[in-house]
Amino acid sequence: KAGVTQTPRYLIKTRGQQVTLSCSPISGHRSVSWYQQTPGQGLQFLFEYFSETQRNKGNFPGRFSGRQFSNSRSEMNVSTLELGDSALYLCATSGGTEAFFGQGTRLTVV
Amino acid sequence: AQKVTQAQTEISVVEKEDVTLDCVYETRDTTYYLFWYKQPPSGELVFLIRRNSFDEQNEISGRYSWNFQKSTSSFNFTITASQVVDSAVYFCALSYGGATNKLIFGTGTLLAVQP
Repeated sequence: KAGVTQTPRYLIKTRGQQVTLSCSPISGHRSVSWYQQTPGQGLQFLFEYFSETQRNKGNFPGRFSGRQFSNSRSEMNVSTLELGDSALYLCATSGGTEAFFGQGTRLTVV
Repeated sequence: AQKVTQAQTEISVVEKEDVTLDCVYETRDTTYYLFWYKQPPSGELVFLIRRNSFDEQNEISGRYSWNFQKSTSSFNFTITASQVVDSAVYFCALSYGGATNKLIFGTGTLLAVQP
């Protein structure tokens, strides 16, 4: 069974640009969540999607958005990038019990 | 408020020593789940265990064991006879309200096992 796949693994963007990250869940998992990991703030929940609907939302500005497709794949978008958005972005998928994580996308904003 | 505290920032042990990682949680919900994840340098969070709030039985899996005590709001993790491959950051996490994919993480404990 394939695990959670996140693409790309690494990204370098310039301030003010926007970026889209992708997450393909484990087959059969309908819940996809996104987390931001930084040295200063640790692991923070961004949002969760289930059956193409946002089910939960963390405390992040509107520049952070997401969506989920009918095949449960999810994308996360960050607009007007700031230096502080540099982080490891992790996607987690769940079939209703525990959450399984991908390897993450390392975003660097310069 | 929901919160997870891992007071130990870093722990260093020598191979074959036993080590316990502490986790204290806060929640007003009566139904919640507790988790431990391991994060090696590659970055992926590896699931280790899930416990629900109604099951206080301790669990052992090989060299790993977990002690859940609701009376002290703690969910501690012990590695017996540690190995170099156990070196990683370990996170304790909490979910509540029936959600299992909305996790509140502690700040993590960096475990370094020296040969």
